[in-house]
Amino acid sequence: DIQLTQSPSFLSASVGDRVTITCRASQGISSYLAWYQQKPGKAPKLQIYAASTLQSGVPSRFSGSGSGTEFTLTISSLQPEDFATYYCQQLNSYPWTFGQGTKVEIK
Amino acid sequence: QVHLQESGPGLVKPSGTLSLTCAVSGGSISNSNWWTWVRQPPGKGLEWIGDIYHDGTTNYNPSLKSRVIMSIDNSNQFSLRLSSVTAADTAVYFCASTVSSNWAYLDNWGQGALVTVSS
Repeated sequence: DIQLTQSPSFLSASVGDRVTITCRASQGISSYLAWYQQKPGKAPKLQIYAASTLQSGVPSRFSGSGSGTEFTLTISSLQPEDFATYYCQQLNSYPWTFGQGTKVEIK
Repeated sequence: QVHLQESGPGLVKPSGTLSLTCAVSGGSISNSNWWTWVRQPPGKGLEWIGDIYHDGTTNYNPSLKSRVIMSIDNSNQFSLRLSSVTAADTAVYFCASTVSSNWAYLDNWGQGALVTVSS
């Protein structure tokens, strides 16, 4: 199975901060990577797919980059509604796997 | 926009079988999507269980493969059965649709159903 490691696992930030989350894959996955946002008690919500394509309706302050084994999710200016847990997922080869999550909390 | 809704018993006894159904509305289960199950133990991360295509083709997580059966049911819904459950199978179970054209991603999710394994 392809392992995904997110860093950091937890980050504390303020409204307006630029935030970057990294996802590293144990082997190359081309650009078959998606990012999801999950708020407590809710289902995950797709933010980015194909490593860098913004899902319809997602604010442009979210962006993704990378290919191969290293990927990043960036929030250019953190807003109150962005405090959540973020997961990366690889869809290059079965079984699809998720990173362990990065919880973004208010400083 | 496809809408997904999970249903099924919220409590299952150890060694029993967990059964959940996902109703699909706003679209046909016979479109080009794969239909997916993901679970999340309380306070933990996401685990992909498997997916099924409308023709019955399945992909299962090897860690669960010996205990999982997915099926396409009548009336635009699909189902999950997980046998020989233990407390470790206690989780919120989500159904989702997976787009797999040029790129793959889970674009629509159900709200989730908490299943507790306990006697």
